[in-house]
Amino acid sequence: SQQGEEDPQALSIQEGENATMNCSYKTSINNLQWYRQNSGRGLVHLILIRSNEREKHSGRLRVTLDTSKKSSSLLITASRAADTASYFCATALPSYGGATNKLIFGTGTLLAVQP
Amino acid sequence: GAVVSQHPSRVICKSGTSVKIECRSLDFQATTMFWYRQFPKQSLMLMATSNEGSKATYEQGVEKDKFLINHASLTLSTLTVTSAHPEDSSFYICSARDQGQGWYSPLHFGNGTRLTVT
Repeated sequence: SQQGEEDPQALSIQEGENATMNCSYKTSINNLQWYRQNSGRGLVHLILIRSNEREKHSGRLRVTLDTSKKSSSLLITASRAADTASYFCATALPSYGGATNKLIFGTGTLLAVQP
Repeated sequence: GAVVSQHPSRVICKSGTSVKIECRSLDFQATTMFWYRQFPKQSLMLMATSNEGSKATYEQGVEKDKFLINHASLTLSTLTVTSAHPEDSSFYICSARDQGQGWYSPLHFGNGTRLTVT
């Protein structure tokens, strides 16, 4: 079964507004990552936050991680029409598997930014 | 940046035929590649982990004989959908981790292959 669930499933906002997406997961993790997917394309890595970190920034992106609640949020500030895409959280489980450590993806949030 | 090339981007085949999808890491080496499947408006489901020089590791419920994976070199993994049926129609995406970036580093994704079985 999937590790993560995201909320909301879909979000529609106006350009300039902030967008917040939430991700919940079920088991212990090594890190949590956020990816973006434009329709019909592959995924692009946005940001990675380790299990011992609580907040991380990258440009207009802000990610928080609460391991006690097993949840994370992605905030996109001052959104643009070009931010329209699906956003997925993905968890890397702690393991001894080395290079085969796999990512388990959440259900995704479809963000639509209206110009 | 790290680039993963996936080919073909679209393929239409008839029921009963086999289709091969290639995934190449262009500017880095990947001992491990991951194959995902995505249904419309849904998340990515991990199908298998492809290991260079050894057998792939399949997720529960994924048929090994149906989805053949070969990882013959540090830059190439292939997924062959054998005896395809309409229910195999889906979006298949490969990804790879730059082995020089550490075991928990982000994945680099191909642009996916849209398979339609008629």
